[in-house]
This record gives sequence, structure tokens and C-alpha cells, in this order.
Amino acid sequence: DIVMTQTPLSLSVTPGQPASISCKSSQSLLHSDGKTYLYWYLQKPGQPPQLLIYEVSNRFSGVPDRFSGSGSGTDFTLKISRVEAEDVGVYYCMQSIQLLTFGGGTKVEIK
Amino acid sequence: QVQLVQSGAEVKKPGASVKVSCKASGYTFTSYYMHWVRQAPGQGLEWMGIINPSGGSTSYAQKFQGRVTMTRDTSTSTVYMELSSLRSEDTAVYYCARATKPMVRSHPDFDYWGQGTLVTVSS
Repeated sequence: DIVMTQTPLSLSVTPGQPASISCKSSQSLLHSDGKTYLYWYLQKPGQPPQLLIYEVSNRFSGVPDRFSGSGSGTDFTLKISRVEAEDVGVYYCMQSIQLLTFGGGTKVEIK
Repeated sequence: QVQLVQSGAEVKKPGASVKVSCKASGYTFTSYYMHWVRQAPGQGLEWMGIINPSGGSTSYAQKFQGRVTMTRDTSTSTVYMELSSLRSEDTAVYYCARATKPMVRSHPDFDYWGQGTLVTVSS
């Protein structure tokens, strides 16, 4: 199975400041079809996860443009340009190039 | 609007089985694969398997092979996940999640999720 490793485990951010989360996969997520099957989800307290970013860098419908994804191969990053109070929760990366696995999560809180 | 509404919380004894339902509405039920994902208390997300609501075919994560059965009822637009031989480690919130792209099985992501069903396994 592909292992997804997220860092840091937690992040405390002042509103308006940027935040960055790293996700590394044990194998390349680049498929022969040219797509990279890496996704980012946010799970707000008491809610199911919600899709933020698909295929590394594409914002899902309705996701604010302060969220951006980047990376390639095995190294990926989610950035929040200016954290807002509503961004608190646990962020997960997920791969679906081979079955499906999630990272362990990064908890983001507001200072 | 798309909605996935799951059945209520369950408490089961070790060795028993549980069947969780997920009723879909707001879209063509048979056009989107459905997945099940679970989350143990305070833990991360774990993919369990997938069902094709159209033909009923399934594929399960190896960890759950032999213990999980996913079915669907097209007349009520409902998918079911049954987990047997329950143990305390199966205590978790179980989610159904719809694949984002219609008629696409491989390389999924999920755009709609059920609200989750807490299954507690305790003697």
C-alpha cells in the first residue's frame, strides 16, 4: 500500500497569516495517463471531510482561492495564503493512483 | 441538491454484525460509484471499499475482505455496508462518499459525503 505522510501533525496560525502543510507519498502518484492522483480534504469539527483540491492543484467548486496545492511525484504541499477562523479543522491528503489511502492528518487551529 | 443520509448510531457486541445504510438523493443514483470510509475515534480516515450502484459490483480493501459486504437497492437509491465479526477496533464513524466523476471507477475522489454513522462495539 502507498503510505502518505503529512507534516506537521498540528499547526497554530494567527488569522491573516499563511500556513503550509506537506504530504509525501511512498511511491510516485504520477500515472501513465499524465495525471497525478493527489487530493486534499478538510474535516471541520463534527463534520465529514470536504474536498478542497483535486489532482494536486485544482480547487474544487466553491473553494476559496486562498487555498492552493502544488507538488509532483511524491512531494506535495497545501498552502493557505491567509488563514481565516473558518479554516480550522484537520487537513488530509489522499492518493488514489493505487487503491486509496489517506495521510494521517494535520490539525490547524487559530492562535 | 445532492444528499447522502445515513442511518443512525448503533451499539453492537463483539462478534455481532452491523448494517449501515446511505440513502442518496438529488442525482441519478446509478451514475456514480459509492465508497465507504471509516474513522476511528480521534483517528484518521480509512477506505473500506466501493460499490457500483448500477450493476452492484464491489471491491473491498484487503483488510476487510471476508468481513464486509456492500449492497445497493436501486428502488430506494440506497447503499448498504454490512460489517461482520465486529471487534472493539471496529468502533468508528462510518461514512459513505460519492465519487466525483460519473461512471468512473478508477482514481476516485469524493465530492459528497454522508453525515456519518457511529458504530460502537462494546461488551
